[in-house]
Amino acid sequence: DIQMTQSPSSVSASVGDRITITCRASQGIGSWLAWYQQKPGKAPELLIYSATSLQSGVPSRFSGSGSGTDFTLTISSLQPEDFATYYCQQTNSFPLTFGGGTKVEI
Amino acid sequence: EVQLVESGGGLVQPGGSLRLSCAASGFTFTNYWMHWVRQAPGKGPVWVSRISIDGKDILYADSVKGRFTISRDNAKNTLHLQMNSLRAEDTAVYYCVRDPSVSINVGDYWGQGTLVTVSS
Repeated sequence: DIQMTQSPSSVSASVGDRITITCRASQGIGSWLAWYQQKPGKAPELLIYSATSLQSGVPSRFSGSGSGTDFTLTISSLQPEDFATYYCQQTNSFPLTFGGGTKVEI
Repeated sequence: EVQLVESGGGLVQPGGSLRLSCAASGFTFTNYWMHWVRQAPGKGPVWVSRISIDGKDILYADSVKGRFTISRDNAKNTLHLQMNSLRAEDTAVYYCVRDPSVSINVGDYWGQGTLVTVSS
């Protein structure tokens, strides 16, 4: 199975900050990576797929980059509604696997 | 509006069974592959199973293989997960997830989840 490692596990930030979350795969996965946002008590929501493609309806302040084993999610200007937990997921091969999550908090 | 509504969760003893259902609406169910993903309390999501449009291409996580069975009823726009020989480690919220494309393997819509608790 492909292991996905996220860092940091949590980050403290303020409204307006630029933050970057990193995800590393245990083996190369091309661009087969997705990012999700999850708020407490809610299901995850898809933000980015294929490493860089923004899901319809997702604000442009979210962006993804990377390929192979190293990927990043960037939020260019943090908004109050962005405080949540973020997960990466490799979509290259089964079993599909998720990272451990990064909690973005004030 | 796309809606996925799970049902069937609850409290079950170890070794017991449950059948989860997911009612899909607001889109053409027969155009989409579907997944079940679970999330234990305080943990990250874990992929459980995937089923093709016609129900013939099925995959399972090793942790549930031989115990869980995914199926779909395209006439009723419903996805199912039959869970047998349940263990404490199966305790989680179970989500029904729509896959927008078989080549992408992501979930673009998720249900609200149904909680399964395995405990004596």
